[in-house]
Amino acid sequence: DSGVTQTPKHLITATGQRVTLRCSPRSGDLSVYWYQQSLDQGLQFLIQYYNGEERAKGNILERFSAQQFPDLHSELNLSSLELGDSALYFCASSVDAGSHNEQFFGPGTRLTVL
Amino acid sequence: AQTVTQSQPEMSVQEAETVTLSCTYDTSESDYYLFWYKQPPSRQMILVIRQEAYKQQNATENRFSVNFQKAAKSFSLKISDSQLGDAAMYFCAYRSFRDDKIIFGKGTRLHILP
Repeated sequence: DSGVTQTPKHLITATGQRVTLRCSPRSGDLSVYWYQQSLDQGLQFLIQYYNGEERAKGNILERFSAQQFPDLHSELNLSSLELGDSALYFCASSVDAGSHNEQFFGPGTRLTVL
Repeated sequence: AQTVTQSQPEMSVQEAETVTLSCTYDTSESDYYLFWYKQPPSRQMILVIRQEAYKQQNATENRFSVNFQKAAKSFSLKISDSQLGDAAMYFCAYRSFRDDKIIFGKGTRLHILP
C-alpha cells in the first residue's frame, strides 16, 4: 500500500458524459501527478500540481481538467467522454516537487466509456 | 523529446532462472533518472529499482539489478532466481532532472513458468 488513495476503483459511463476522479496523496505530500494508461498510448503523464498550483502539463486533452484543493487532494475531471478515453487513470504523489523525489502511485481508477 | 523503448512485448522464464529485460532510451540530457516499475495483476505500480545517470555503479536491489550503459543509452533489468511473484508487466521509465514527469516505455509482460 503506497498511501495514495483513489476513488472510485471502477467507473462505467456513456459517451458524452462527465466524470470526476479523486485522489488523496500520502500524508504530507505536496505534489500530485496524474497519468493515463491506455492500450494504444501506454502510460502517459497528464498533469502535475504542487501545493495547489499547476506545475507541469503533459498530453492532457482540453476536455480534461484537474485541480488540487487546499487539503491537497486532487480531482481529475473528464468531460464529453469518448470511447477512446477508456483507460486506467493513476494518481501519484511525492513529498515535494523536483525530480529527485520518488513518486508513489495509487491503485488507479478504471474508466470504461460505453 | 525523450523516448523510452522496450523491444520485448513478452518474455517467459523458468522459475529459479535468470531473465534480462531490455530497455533503450533517447535523450540529449546528461543528468536524469532511470527506473524499472513492476505492475502485477493488481495494477499497482511498484518501483523496482532506480538509477541516477551520474552514478557509474549499477543499482541493485536484492534479486534485481540493472546494466546501465550511458553511452549506449541502454538500461536493462536482470532478475535472478525468478519467482512466481515476479510475473507482471515491467515498465522502463525515464525522468529528467529538469522536470518531474516520468516517461514510460510500452512495457514487457513477464511470465514465470513453474
